[in-house]
Amino acid sequence: GENVEQHPSTLSVQEGDSAVIKCTYSDSASNYFPWYKQELGKRPQLIIDIRSNVGEKKDQRIAVTLNKTAKHFSLHITETQPEDSAVYFCAASGTYKYIFGTGTRLKVLA
Amino acid sequence: GAVVSQHPSRVICKSGTSVKIECRSLDFQATTMFWYRQFPKQSLMLMATSNEGSKATYEQGVEKDKFLINHASLTLSTLTVTSAHPEDSSFYICSARGRGVGNQPQHFGDGTRLSIL
Repeated sequence: GENVEQHPSTLSVQEGDSAVIKCTYSDSASNYFPWYKQELGKRPQLIIDIRSNVGEKKDQRIAVTLNKTAKHFSLHITETQPEDSAVYFCAASGTYKYIFGTGTRLKVLA
Repeated sequence: GAVVSQHPSRVICKSGTSVKIECRSLDFQATTMFWYRQFPKQSLMLMATSNEGSKATYEQGVEKDKFLINHASLTLSTLTVTSAHPEDSSFYICSARGRGVGNQPQHFGDGTRLSIL
């Protein structure tokens, strides 16, 4: 069935360093890839998304890259800050349903 | 914009009780709403998809008689956990997507933490 793998499951970085989270999807019909940030006990919040007709998208310190051939997409956070600490989920979607990755717990050390 | 309100935020009740959770899109019309379940330190698992005015589509393994979903209007969907038991304790989150061609972002509610004693 449809599946999204996400790595790493946990990631600790020093403040100011970059963080990279990678996802791989299985459904070749997927054409929309959002990333969500979830703080403990709170709602997932959309931080960036990319569609399949684009290879890269950037919004300030956050960027997402997509390799359709390899079915990989990645989240890049530069100049990390303590407030970036949270769980990040990738998702892949073909029509309307999201298949979420397993999540990455990011800890930014001050 | 794109605010989704979910109530209640926390429910603690006895085994056998039925619990109703509401999900409202406050500033847009939600043609489709989604209900997810999230266990501690785990990902969001889609339970069902509801479209306004039609029956919900349940994911494999989700009991439709246990988790009743109603999407009576373009701004409101409800999930009722019938005769809840301790194993139903979890974090339930709804999301909504608006009109538009192709894939649209889903906007999430704050979630409901359900604890069955």
